[in-house]
Amino acid sequence: AQKVTQAQTEISVVEKEDVTLDCVYETRDTTYYLFWYKQPPSGELVFLIRRNSFDEQNEISGRYSWNFQKSTSSFNFTITASQVVDSAVYFCALDSGSARQLTFGSGTQLTVLP
Amino acid sequence: DVKVTQSSRYLVKRTGEKVFLECVQDMDHENMFWYRQDPGLGLRLIYFSYDVKMKEKGDIPEGYSVSREKKERFSLILESASTNQTSMYLCASSKRAGASETQYFGPGTRLLVL
Repeated sequence: AQKVTQAQTEISVVEKEDVTLDCVYETRDTTYYLFWYKQPPSGELVFLIRRNSFDEQNEISGRYSWNFQKSTSSFNFTITASQVVDSAVYFCALDSGSARQLTFGSGTQLTVLP
Repeated sequence: DVKVTQSSRYLVKRTGEKVFLECVQDMDHENMFWYRQDPGLGLRLIYFSYDVKMKEKGDIPEGYSVSREKKERFSLILESASTNQTSMYLCASSKRAGASETQYFGPGTRLLVL
């Protein structure tokens, strides 16, 4: 069975602060993929990143960065210099070969205040 | 760009009504998915389809059925809507089967059952 835990239900920060969203996963598979999606108030889930289990390099894309650590089964997401437009619900998800489906965490509601 | 569209953004139905939610993707993707999203629960998979006329149950199929007569279209059917089916419904598609494939989502349908 696979599971994704996003312990932070809601986070509020002031604009320009850095913020980290936590994601912890469980799977018995050695090959798996991790994802982050953003859901703005409009409702559509927007794909942000996909990372496979064999690539532990951290990734940076503009103000976004991701820290993948297999030793702690975590795939955390950091937004640097947050902006109001970053306000959204963020979902972490796991897909492993044995499950054949995407398992989502419960999401973290991020509010960035001006 | 991948485009996934859903027939309605908002829908209000009465208990006992038959409800059809339509989803269309324009990228010739093989796989299509239906999720429901509820606060605190993240996204839960209802049904998915890897090919035309093929369907598989997800985690919460009870009370739902699906139809995939054409590759680009995947319909979710509530045979007799109930108030506990009030939720946000999200459709997704991916290129082909396998854990490496990214799912792309539609804008969602907010269904209210009175």
